[in-house]
Amino acid sequence: ETGVTQTPRHLVMGMTNKKSLKCEQHLGHNAMYWYKQSAKKPLELMFVYNFKEQTENNSVPSRFSPECPNSSHLFLHLHTLQPEDSALYLCASSHFAGSDSNQPQHFGDGTRLSIL
Amino acid sequence: SQQGEEDPQALSIQEGENATMNCSYKTSINNLQWYRQNSGRGLVHLILIRSNEREKHSGRLRVTLDTSKKSSSLLITASRAADTASYFCATESKAAGNKLTFGGGTRVLVKP
Repeated sequence: ETGVTQTPRHLVMGMTNKKSLKCEQHLGHNAMYWYKQSAKKPLELMFVYNFKEQTENNSVPSRFSPECPNSSHLFLHLHTLQPEDSALYLCASSHFAGSDSNQPQHFGDGTRLSIL
Repeated sequence: SQQGEEDPQALSIQEGENATMNCSYKTSINNLQWYRQNSGRGLVHLILIRSNEREKHSGRLRVTLDTSKKSSSLLITASRAADTASYFCATESKAAGNKLTFGGGTRVLVKP
């Protein structure tokens, strides 16, 4: 799938670095999501944006800071991460995140993040 | 808590055989969705089945939903090596704020 593009695909950073993950969708969707996928754990929802407004922060530590400048772009700013934050970070989009939306989500290929 | 739980956790079959995996959930749902994830890639949506539907087909995929048992199954018929992937069920429910809650997945290996 090329509808949702994530960059970079791989990122290695030290605990004191600051980096950003980028997600871009070309599907005309209004909702965008960040998920964390760790080994041996189910996919964890981190943030939800609907029409550029954050509607969900799933108790994510403040060292993860999302930004959604428009409906097509989503960023995840990273600062002072911990080794346990090493994971695959997936971005997704859908038409609308709301009541009984019955909409599938479209995922990017993720950023594999490794914290040294 | 985890809403969807897949069973089995892993499945190994020969090419041409059928693969069946199950998903159980705890609360009432709006819909249940199945996704596939190839190694190193993102999730790809396969099928969405609404709470008032009992069965859906898409190519070689067949999904059933039994809301009385709070369970769903995904059947892949005439499997191919390219079907090797992890398969996840996800539920959308009011209890979870109409967000998707994913299970831990079933790893399927189709041997040529």
